[in-house]
Amino acid sequence: GESVGLHLPTLSVQEGDNSIINCAYSNSASDYFIWYKQESGKGPQFIIDIRSNMDKRQGQRVTVLLNKTVKHLSLQIAATQPGDSAVYFCAESYNDYKLSFGAGTTVTVRA
Amino acid sequence: DAGVIQSPRHEVTEMGQEVTLRCKPISGHDYLFWYRQTMMRGLELLIYFNNNVPIDDSGMPEDRFSAKMPNASFSTLKIQPSEPRDSAVYFCASSRTQQGNYGYTFGSGTRLTVV
Repeated sequence: GESVGLHLPTLSVQEGDNSIINCAYSNSASDYFIWYKQESGKGPQFIIDIRSNMDKRQGQRVTVLLNKTVKHLSLQIAATQPGDSAVYFCAESYNDYKLSFGAGTTVTVRA
Repeated sequence: DAGVIQSPRHEVTEMGQEVTLRCKPISGHDYLFWYRQTMMRGLELLIYFNNNVPIDDSGMPEDRFSAKMPNASFSTLKIQPSEPRDSAVYFCASSRTQQGNYGYTFGSGTRLTVV
């Protein structure tokens, strides 16, 4: 029968390649954004954040890009590894401590 | 630090029973959040506390749900009576007020199944 529920975008990437995960956020007034990684059976884990006064921020093997004009956020993972296989969520916040989460993207790394 | 600790990890209960989920936030964190995750709706914020005081409970689905934070190191989420549609993974997260960064730390979650 037909499956009901969120249809998460998926990304399949070859080990060693770079990954780009995209997110469209909803509130043009949001001023703080976070990427989380969730592995099976675990809670979401903080990866990297960015404030709206920036358009790029780099971490270890990860880079977040923010385009406020089109309300778009992306996460780039360099040299993707098998341990990067997970569901990735973007989250946004406006002027308080509540985070609204996107639906998530499932990333599968091929050996 | 042991991180955010939730118990139990799994809970199976019969419809109509009371269920209590527990959370111990990271020491020193002054914000605590309860989220629910389902395939249908993703991650939803139910309620959050600041310094043990409930700030926003607009995400609590109905009166069957209640949450308390009697002290800085403990919070409970109670469902009474439970229904099959409450089946989900419930996450607790905590955060510390900190200039420029208030990313949450999540616990491992409680998988609730109501039959």
